[in-house]
Amino acid sequence: EAGVTQFPSHSVIEKGQTVTLRCDPISGHDNLYWYRRVMGKEIKFLLHFVKESKQDESGMPNNRFLAERTGGTYSTLKVQPAELEDSGVYFCASSQEHYGYTFGSGTRLTVV
Amino acid sequence: QKEVEQNSGPLSVPEGAIASLNCTYSDQGSQSFFWYRQYSGKSPELIMFIYSNGDKEDGRFTAQLNKASQYVSLLIRDSQPSDSATYLCAVTSGGYQKVTFGTGTKLQVIP
Repeated sequence: EAGVTQFPSHSVIEKGQTVTLRCDPISGHDNLYWYRRVMGKEIKFLLHFVKESKQDESGMPNNRFLAERTGGTYSTLKVQPAELEDSGVYFCASSQEHYGYTFGSGTRLTVV
Repeated sequence: QKEVEQNSGPLSVPEGAIASLNCTYSDQGSQSFFWYRQYSGKSPELIMFIYSNGDKEDGRFTAQLNKASQYVSLLIRDSQPSDSATYLCAVTSGGYQKVTFGTGTKLQVIP
């Protein structure tokens, strides 16, 4: 079984640019989550999809962040325009039931 | 008050000893509790989950939950250098499986 795939693995962009992160969940997993870890802080929830619907987006920092999940399959997280404080590791995870997530390897975003 | 609190460590134990990792949470309605292991530069990996009060054992790992005290712990018996990692405590509340993480405890197993 393929795991959760994220790309790119690393991205370095300038302040004000746009970046799009992609996540491919485990096939058949209805639940898809985005999390972010800023240096030295805990992993913070961003949002949760159930299939193609946003179930909870209470963790999205501001309207510079836009997440989509096309057809309930892969998801994208766009940051536009990026700011310095957006730097961190963005994790995607998927799950089917209550047995915990499977995480992707993360995208390390650096905004300079 | 943080929702999920862990001592950041590092917790150092000699090889073969028992490592005890602790976590407290603030939401009394929390329903599911997880321990993740994260090696440096890698993604978190689920190692244990527990729902009911008491102990749950899986190999060298034992998770302990006390809902009255809002406390969950992870014991690692016969610690190995390969156990050296950051251990993240995580809890879910509500029906939609949103998970809240602690900052993690760094464990160092000394050969």
